[in-house]
Amino acid sequence: DADVTQTPRNRITKTGKRIMLECSQTKGHDRMYWYRQDPGLGLRLIYYSFDVKDINKGEISDGYSVSRQAQAKFSLSLESAIPNQTALYFCATTGDTGELFFGEGSRLTVL
Amino acid sequence: TQLLEQSPQFLSIQEGENLTVYCNSSSVFSSLQWYRQEPGEGPVLLVTVVTGGEVKKLKRLTFQFGDARKDSSLHITAAQPGDTGLYLCAGEDNTNAGKSTFGDGTTLTVKP
Repeated sequence: DADVTQTPRNRITKTGKRIMLECSQTKGHDRMYWYRQDPGLGLRLIYYSFDVKDINKGEISDGYSVSRQAQAKFSLSLESAIPNQTALYFCATTGDTGELFFGEGSRLTVL
Repeated sequence: TQLLEQSPQFLSIQEGENLTVYCNSSSVFSSLQWYRQEPGEGPVLLVTVVTGGEVKKLKRLTFQFGDARKDSSLHITAAQPGDTGLYLCAGEDNTNAGKSTFGDGTTLTVKP
């Protein structure tokens, strides 16, 4: 079983719809992250959380919100999806070594 | 915001050739990581370098961290088709502990 699990893996939705991407991890790490990946733009940080009570904006947080329901769960929401939010989204977690462990990604298409 | 520039963006070579990918910044990083990503999967860590001038080898891959800890390179010797993928560098600096900045990536294709 994967250490970091994302659901759904693929989602097609329409402009204006609310979307939630879920992430759970079995690494026992406190730190969790949501990244967005677009072709040619690498990975850009949306939100991150260092523990259950800690939520921080990343470099591209506008249009997104997150919820840290438990140490193992960190969800990303798009309250009103728009086409330029079409992208591949990755959840990640890290421990003391700094190594990021990524999920397999959630591909979101907004029509 | 610290920026990491990777070059080249795309690289297509024949099996057996050597290649070098560069990751440069004007900022100093406390550590720098290289990840490899295959289609449909998340990035996977290859190496972390933390000391200026450090050289690490992983089979046919050689990683260097610049003396000033602002740049890094990845050299692959005798590339194989299995090396095909997206290579990403990521840096963490002291003022943003726990946050990594990623380069835009180098897409490598190794043809048999």
